[in-house]
Amino acid sequence: GAVVSQHPSRVICKSGTSVKIECRSLDFQATTMFWYRQFPKQSLMLMATSNEGSKATYEQGVEKDKFLINHASLTLSTLTVTSAHPEDSSFYICSAISGRGSDTQYFGPGTRLTVL
Amino acid sequence: GNSVTQMEGPVTLSEEAFLTINCTYTATGYPSLFWYVQYPGEGLQLLLKATKADDKGSNKGFEATYRKETTSFHLEKGSVQVSDSAVYFCALSDRGFGNEKLTFGTGTRLTIIP
Repeated sequence: GAVVSQHPSRVICKSGTSVKIECRSLDFQATTMFWYRQFPKQSLMLMATSNEGSKATYEQGVEKDKFLINHASLTLSTLTVTSAHPEDSSFYICSAISGRGSDTQYFGPGTRLTVL
Repeated sequence: GNSVTQMEGPVTLSEEAFLTINCTYTATGYPSLFWYVQYPGEGLQLLLKATKADDKGSNKGFEATYRKETTSFHLEKGSVQVSDSAVYFCALSDRGFGNEKLTFGTGTRLTIIP
């Protein structure tokens, strides 16, 4: 149980285009989902927290207009990188919590974004 | 604020060696503590957790004990295998509704050689 999927696993795009990454909880309802960014050989940096049906809460320094997060249902959250640039190239990882008050996060396999 | 300090890597050990990866934390309340593992090319997987002082989390031969007096959660394994090669992350979360954010350490890359 507690499986989280991400799609796509890899994406390459041209500078200036937008890319959407999906995160799904496959066998549970996720009241809260998190989006992280991981640079090579570094730790995860939390970008934002999203609760179903409400606006995402962004961490300090993360541009909300550039990284659009939508948590439209209890099993799906999307991250859209708008007008992507090479410096946005990174590994994006989502995680989900199965219920309010739970503190165990289940992680997706990640999406490798490369912006040319 | 919360923080996690983790042993710098990389760590290279021979198969069947004893492993310790140190982790200490700073938190304002009574956090839950976690070890996550990331195998090459994969996402993070929960390895073990402990939710209160003196709890011991264990899984796949790995153990870690929640030590409130030393604010530590060191990861240990008695005999490592090549398949244990991965990056290990120590993390904590504040408990309580609406505040389940994880704070991660920087990760420790472990390589086991046959």
